[in-house]
Amino acid sequence: EMQLLESGGGLVQPGGSLRLSCAASGFTFSSYPMTWVRQAPGKGLEWVSGIRDFDSHTNYADSVKGRFTISRDNSKDTLFLDMNSLRAEDTAVYYCAKVTVALTWYFDLWGRGTLVTVSS
Amino acid sequence: QSVLTQPPSVSGAPGQRVTISCTGSRSNIGAGYDVHWYRQFPGTAPKLLISVNSKRPSGVPDRFSGSKSGTSASLAITGLQVDDEAEYYCQSYDSSVTAWVFGGGTKLTVL
Repeated sequence: EMQLLESGGGLVQPGGSLRLSCAASGFTFSSYPMTWVRQAPGKGLEWVSGIRDFDSHTNYADSVKGRFTISRDNSKDTLFLDMNSLRAEDTAVYYCAKVTVALTWYFDLWGRGTLVTVSS
Repeated sequence: QSVLTQPPSVSGAPGQRVTISCTGSRSNIGAGYDVHWYRQFPGTAPKLLISVNSKRPSGVPDRFSGSKSGTSASLAITGLQVDDEAEYYCQSYDSSVTAWVFGGGTKLTVL
């Protein structure tokens, strides 16, 4: 069974850092782009960052560019999101998702999410 | 404010048909980028419902259908069931912000 499991969320002070992980199983992780999507409490979905499979090229939403870094370790089937200079508005549930590529990316497998709370 | 616009809520009675619109612009749907739909139940992760405008992943009943025309897309649900109550999101790519974008979400209530 294909599965994604996020970890690393928690309470962090404004300006702090956090590293999220997403462990993949049940599919060939190295063959797929991966992405992070977040959802602030009571709000909609916001795409955060993506990383390609074949060259690990990355891209970011403007709201996190320069503060967040996405990476992957294909030998460990794990996706990461390093978050620095965290702000209150980064408070959200963070989901990792497996990407299937058509003309555009779509997200065909999601993890359960991990909650990040930025507060003093 | 989302790049893709959805109605905040729609409702229908059991057995009825409802549609959820997703309105974009020439930099996303109108540029030819595909539209995908997700369903999210409260407290759970989103799940893919429709991919590439109209394709149903395995396990999604044919009561759900998607379409796209011009700068808009629609999700139709026929034979409404109480279990269909959820939040529905459209998603595409926008070339002006060079990012994957979601609609603001539509809450479906089955009366």
